[in-house]
Amino acid sequence: GENVEQHPSTLSVQEGDSAVIKCTYSDSASNYFPWYKQELGKRPQLIIDIRSNVGEKKDQRIAVTLNKTAKHFSLHITETQPEDSAVYFCAAKVITGGGNKLTFGTGTQLKVEL
Amino acid sequence: DVKVTQSSRYLVKRTGEKVFLECVQDMDHENMFWYRQDPGLGLRLIYFSYDVKMKEKGDIPEGYSVSREKKERFSLILESASTNQTSMYLCASIAVGLAVGEQYFGPGTRLTVT
Repeated sequence: GENVEQHPSTLSVQEGDSAVIKCTYSDSASNYFPWYKQELGKRPQLIIDIRSNVGEKKDQRIAVTLNKTAKHFSLHITETQPEDSAVYFCAAKVITGGGNKLTFGTGTQLKVEL
Repeated sequence: DVKVTQSSRYLVKRTGEKVFLECVQDMDHENMFWYRQDPGLGLRLIYFSYDVKMKEKGDIPEGYSVSREKKERFSLILESASTNQTSMYLCASIAVGLAVGEQYFGPGTRLTVT
């Protein structure tokens, strides 16, 4: 089955700096890669996603890049703010029909310091 | 607004007890999932269901079973709770037509087995 590795496990940045979280996946058939943000005590929520036919996607301060050849994808957050502090999870999915399931990475605790 | 609710936010049970965790979604989603979340291990899939009375094992099904008698309700059962099942349990759902897009999570149930 699919295996997703995520690094780093913790990341501390100064407010205004950029943050990068990296994930690798093992199943070359995976074709959908979402990122979830989980604030303390809250449920995970989707912040951005990318399909395998796209190399990069951006939404305001958040961007995701995908390298299919190397089987890795990354989350980039620019101009970080204190409210970006949270746990971020990457995931990979093979879209084959109705029975799709996500495989998650182990999470990155991002702390944005003032 | 999609709502995924779980029967309890916090639960304390004794070793050997039978435990029921219930999840209800109100958006007519076909796919429902049960995960457990542990520090450093991310979100691991226990069981999922594509439709009523259908279920499939996830990555860590041992010690768990599930029930999906109605479309909106997906129950996780710990037949004989053990201390290593102390964890945060998250339920999620997504419509079958949405191969991509947000998988909506419930608020989680923090289970402690003593």
